[in-house]
Amino acid sequence: DAGVIQSPRHEVTEMGQEVTLRCKPISGHDYLFWYRQTMMRGLELLIYFNNNVPIDDSGMPEDRFSAKMPNASFSTLKIQPSEPRDSAVYFCASSLGRNNSPLHFGNGTRLTVT
Amino acid sequence: AQKITQTQPGMFVQEKEAVTLDCTYDTSDPSYGLFWYKQPSSGEMIFLIYQGSYDQQNATEGRYSLNFQKARKSANLVISASQLGDSAMYFCAMREGRTGANNLFFGTGTRLTVIP
Repeated sequence: DAGVIQSPRHEVTEMGQEVTLRCKPISGHDYLFWYRQTMMRGLELLIYFNNNVPIDDSGMPEDRFSAKMPNASFSTLKIQPSEPRDSAVYFCASSLGRNNSPLHFGNGTRLTVT
Repeated sequence: AQKITQTQPGMFVQEKEAVTLDCTYDTSDPSYGLFWYKQPSSGEMIFLIYQGSYDQQNATEGRYSLNFQKARKSANLVISASQLGDSAMYFCAMREGRTGANNLFFGTGTRLTVIP
């Protein structure tokens, strides 16, 4: 089992540039989550999908952030335009739809916006 | 109000000793699940243990056990026989509701350092 795969592992970009983060969930998992981790705010949920449909995007900071899940095996989180305050580690996670199902996290993407 | 509270920013434990990491939670939903994750310095999030609100017994997974006190709304993680590799951040998390349809709310974490 390959686990949740995220790319890239590290991204350094300049303010104003577009950033796209990618995620491949575990096969068979019907929930996909995007979290952001910072020292100041800890782990925050940005958005989650069920069967490729966005269910709750209330955590998306602003219109600069968008997420898509075109199929069961792929999701993207896009930031356009990026700002220095977006610097964080972005995690993708997937799970089955049961209450006792843990989230399985990818290794994260460390984003630095200069 | 915070759904998950971890009051210990940092903890130290001697190698081979046991350590308890505190977690309290806040929910009015009678059905919920509690999770603990480990985040080593390499950054990945590793699932450790799960406790359901209706579970009668405390969960155990190897050297990890969860001290679940429902009336006090606490779900402390106990690590027995600490090892140097246990040094990491530990996060408590909660999911409300009967299905897996809701996200996990995470606490702020406790940094555990195991001293040789």
